[in-house]
Amino acid sequence: QVQLKESGPGLVQPSQTLSLTCTVSGFSLTSNSVHWVRQPPGKGLEWMGGIWGDGSTDYNSALKSRLSISRDTSKSQVFLKMNSLQTDDTAIYFCMAALDYWGQGVMVTVSS
Amino acid sequence: DVVLTQTPPTLSATIGQSVSISCRSSQSLLHSNGNTYLNWLLQRPGQPPQLLIYLVSRLESGVPNRFSGSGSGTDFTLKISGVEAEDLGVYYCVQSTHAPYTFGAGTKLELK
Repeated sequence: QVQLKESGPGLVQPSQTLSLTCTVSGFSLTSNSVHWVRQPPGKGLEWMGGIWGDGSTDYNSALKSRLSISRDTSKSQVFLKMNSLQTDDTAIYFCMAALDYWGQGVMVTVSS
Repeated sequence: DVVLTQTPPTLSATIGQSVSISCRSSQSLLHSNGNTYLNWLLQRPGQPPQLLIYLVSRLESGVPNRFSGSGSGTDFTLKISGVEAEDLGVYYCVQSTHAPYTFGAGTKLELK
């Protein structure tokens, strides 16, 4: 059974770095890609980036300069790090695989 | 980046009515491997998105056959033949042919 679960802080101060973890089960990270998608309150979905089975990454052009996605295959975890957070980064952050499997999401609020 | 233009932004329907949502891409979504990676998601309130249709017209397992997808190249359509109450929510097209992945802005299906 494929499952993904996001974890991380609910509140981040402006200009700080966001660190999120996606813990997966039921599939191998070396054979499948995992992606991060975010959704500001009341708005649509935005693909942030993904890490492929071979470990390569792709990023949304608008976020590329401050976003990093990595993984630890031994722990079945994928990590998101995004720096220089601003209030418009407030959103629900989802990890997903194959568009078919989604975590429940974690709400991140950027506020002082 | 590929831009997906979804119309209409809002759709009001009665139970049993058939409706269609359009998704137009700024460039062809035909991959060099011959597949067209245009997918449709439904997001119900408070839930992560769920995959309805992948590869333009293939129904995800467990999705009712009142949902159908069609199109090619840059023009795609999702049709619901006989809306049911459980179909209410926001529909998104998403392309995974070109990196970065991109989402349409969404179509909110409401009850009339």
